[in-house]
Amino acid sequence: QVQLQESGPGQVTPSGTLSLTCDVSGGSISSHDWWSWVRQPPGKGLEWIGEVFHSGSTNYNPSLKSRVTISIDKSNNYFSLKLNSVTAADTAVYFCATSGDPRFDTWGQGTLVTVSS
Amino acid sequence: QSALTQPASVSGSPGQSITISCTGTSSDIGDYNYVSWYQQHPGKAPKLVIYDVTKRPSGVSDRFSGSRSGKTASLTISGLQPEDEADYHCSSYTSISTFVFGTGTKVTVL
Repeated sequence: QVQLQESGPGQVTPSGTLSLTCDVSGGSISSHDWWSWVRQPPGKGLEWIGEVFHSGSTNYNPSLKSRVTISIDKSNNYFSLKLNSVTAADTAVYFCATSGDPRFDTWGQGTLVTVSS
Repeated sequence: QSALTQPASVSGSPGQSITISCTGTSSDIGDYNYVSWYQQHPGKAPKLVIYDVTKRPSGVSDRFSGSRSGKTASLTISGLQPEDEADYHCSSYTSISTFVFGTGTKVTVL
């Protein structure tokens, strides 16, 4: 079973761009069809952000679609999230996960991103 | 898309059974057999406990079971144990090829 690890800056300036990477280990990123990003604001529920297929196709949450880009790098076995024009409402723990079949089988440990100046 | 509706909290004594509901629409729970449930302990990543409405992943206790009636899915935990105290989240695939999560339920073991 693959393991996932999120990485990226823990703090982002308002109106800036949040950028995170999810490293896939223990197997090829091509071994699963879909790879997702999910976030959880402090004390709140989970919110699906979007997913990328190993071919590069994407699906996004309609409420975030205008600000989100998810991409995949099969050569280096990772996929990425970019969220632009961030505000305090984007402060959350961000998780990466597998999302084929469709369900979220494997999760990363999560990384807290705070939007603050 | 709106979040699926779950009760904020459910509690029970050890050994009892509890049920958590998750209400959606005809565009998600009511239309697909792709409802899943996740257990999340504080500070940890969610863990899949039920998928495809009723199926349990390997290694998950058979005290966890899932069902659905119309636009409402349910997670039942039987023989409640102290380690079951956690947050539980439902999720459904939708008609526009997206996922939607529930509002989350805190389970307390009295």
